[in-house]
Amino acid sequence: KQEVTQIPAALSVPEGENLVLNCSFTDSAIYNLQWFRQDPGKGLTSLLLIQSSQREQTSGRLNASLDKSSGRSTLYIAASQPGDSATYLCAPKETSGSRLTFGEGTQLTVNP
Amino acid sequence: DTAVSQTPKYLVTQMGNDKSIKCEQNLGHDTMYWYKQDSKKFLKIMFSYNNKELIINETVPNRFSPKSPDKAHLNLHINSLELGDSAVYFCASSQDKTTLPGYTFGSGTRLTVV
Repeated sequence: KQEVTQIPAALSVPEGENLVLNCSFTDSAIYNLQWFRQDPGKGLTSLLLIQSSQREQTSGRLNASLDKSSGRSTLYIAASQPGDSATYLCAPKETSGSRLTFGEGTQLTVNP
Repeated sequence: DTAVSQTPKYLVTQMGNDKSIKCEQNLGHDTMYWYKQDSKKFLKIMFSYNNKELIINETVPNRFSPKSPDKAHLNLHINSLELGDSAVYFCASSQDKTTLPGYTFGSGTRLTVV
């Protein structure tokens, strides 16, 4: 059974800092891994998707890396802004089906 | 032009009632899901349908019954609601073969049982 851990659970930083959010998963047999953000009281917004054969994906100030063999992914946020404040969730997708397994998320606060 | 839409957004009801949540996607995706986010913010899968066929059925009380009339719709019916059913329920969809953007989630239905 896949288990996902995200560290840190919460992070508060001043605006402009570069950040690294960590995600580890126990079953390396994944199809892909997706990073989402969730704003309070809102749904999930897809940020990045990394296929199991890929090492990283970039979108604007976001960069996600994947080390499938060691069961790790990181989300790097450059030059953080207050608008980045949200909960960030990583979710590997199983190979045998379409299930996503979520971590508890990292709650990020970027202070102006 | 909402990709995955759920109704209602909020639902407050008394214990013992029966309620339904509707979900529709206009992305042409093959697979639809229901996820539950509890008070600790943990998201867990409940059900998954692929082309109207049930493919994932987690350990969920049989008071919860999904129904997929076509591949663009997946509704969730809950019988005899209990206090512990209070949570946010998310509908999602994805392509059978993974392509960007992968999963797409609806905005959620906040269910409160009183």
